[in-house]
Amino acid sequence: GAVVSQHPSRVICKSGTSVKIECRSLDFQATTMFWYRQFPKQSLMLMATSNEGSKATYEQGVEKDKFLINHASLTLSTLTVTSAHPEDSSFYICSARIEPLDTQYFGPGTRLTVL
Amino acid sequence: KNEVEQSPQNLTAQEGEFITINCSYSVGISALHWLQQHPGGGIVSLFMLSSGKKKHGRLIATINIQEKHSSLHITASHPRDSAVYICAVSPMDSNYQLIWGAGTKLIIKP
Repeated sequence: GAVVSQHPSRVICKSGTSVKIECRSLDFQATTMFWYRQFPKQSLMLMATSNEGSKATYEQGVEKDKFLINHASLTLSTLTVTSAHPEDSSFYICSARIEPLDTQYFGPGTRLTVL
Repeated sequence: KNEVEQSPQNLTAQEGEFITINCSYSVGISALHWLQQHPGGGIVSLFMLSSGKKKHGRLIATINIQEKHSSLHITASHPRDSAVYICAVSPMDSNYQLIWGAGTKLIIKP
């Protein structure tokens, strides 16, 4: 089946720094990728929808200047958490959609800890 | 009422038992996903279903579109199956976003 990778799998950073998370579709092209965030003991929350070559669509309440999303190619989307704060510590998951199957494949996730 | 409901919320069983986790949804869907999340947070996609039944190893997933219900079964359960199992659906009229269940925390005791 299709594979989606994320890098890094875990990252620890200091407050105020920026962190970039990569999401790659390894054996297919994904025109649409999704970024989710999971708070402790809660379900996943959609943060934004990323379309190749265009600006991401952010969900209500998600700061687009803080969570920068770039979908530069059909196999790569990046999420940059800018000026990270401890409350940004969370588990971030991406998924990639295969057209025209309308199927999403999930990355393994990235655990971000901001000290 | 949530659009995707899972039951049970928590399940503890002995090694070897047959496990069933249920997912009911209230919207029309194009697909239903079962995912597994381990304590470290890593997510594994188990199944994507739009009809019928799928089997992979000791895992079986079924879906009844008319009844808006899906089940995930684990045969001959093992402690390594301990994880949170999450059901998510792709609504028909969505822009491919998912609606998530709350998850079922499964503990298999040796």
